Amino acid sequence: GQQLNQSPQSMFIQEGEDVSMNCTSSSIFNTWLWYKQEPGEGPVLLIALYKAGELTSNGRLTAQFGITRKDSFLNISASIPSDVGIYFCAGQSVAGTYKYIFGTGTRLKVLA
Amino acid sequence: DVKVTQSSRYLVKRTGEKVFLECVQDMDHENMFWYRQDPGLGLRLIYFSYDVKMKEKGDIPEGYSVSREKKERFSLILESASTNQTSMYLCASNLGDVQETQYFGPGTRLLVL
Repeated sequence: GQQLNQSPQSMFIQEGEDVSMNCTSSSIFNTWLWYKQEPGEGPVLLIALYKAGELTSNGRLTAQFGITRKDSFLNISASIPSDVGIYFCAGQSVAGTYKYIFGTGTRLKVLA
Repeated sequence: DVKVTQSSRYLVKRTGEKVFLECVQDMDHENMFWYRQDPGLGLRLIYFSYDVKMKEKGDIPEGYSVSREKKERFSLILESASTNQTSMYLCASNLGDVQETQYFGPGTRLLVL
């Protein structure tokens, strides 16, 4: 099945640093979602984006829907230890199916 | 808050056994989904259902079947479990609008011996 290209695959950062990750696709999407998954748990929705160019924040998290509709990025500012986890992007095609395509995840580790 | 629950967090089964994974959502959502999650492969859609008794194949339906007899409940069935079905299984649901976000359950980690 189709997958999104998500990068980086993993990151080790110091507490307090800012983090940036992104997803790119060869297909156009009309919805982008960002999820966080902690060990042994299901993904939890962080931010949903519905329009090209949209910039949305949720606390220290900010995500943008790329103008080309083929990419999205997620920023985390001033990281803290509880930011540890795997971050996934998910995109929904313009064709308007109920299916989402998921990135392979960015594993984030924060060093105190 | 949306709540999606899965019947088991961990399951251990033997090759050839029939396995049932249950998912329940309490928000009257139209759509329900079953994914499996494997390292390096992300989430892959097995089946989804957009209404009671309705289902559609996802990207990897082979070896699986599903049942949706009631709106709130979506079951994934492994007719004859195999070791390559060892995985994390995630259920999700959403309201029904095409752009509606998906909400996930906590997952069931299945080990097939």
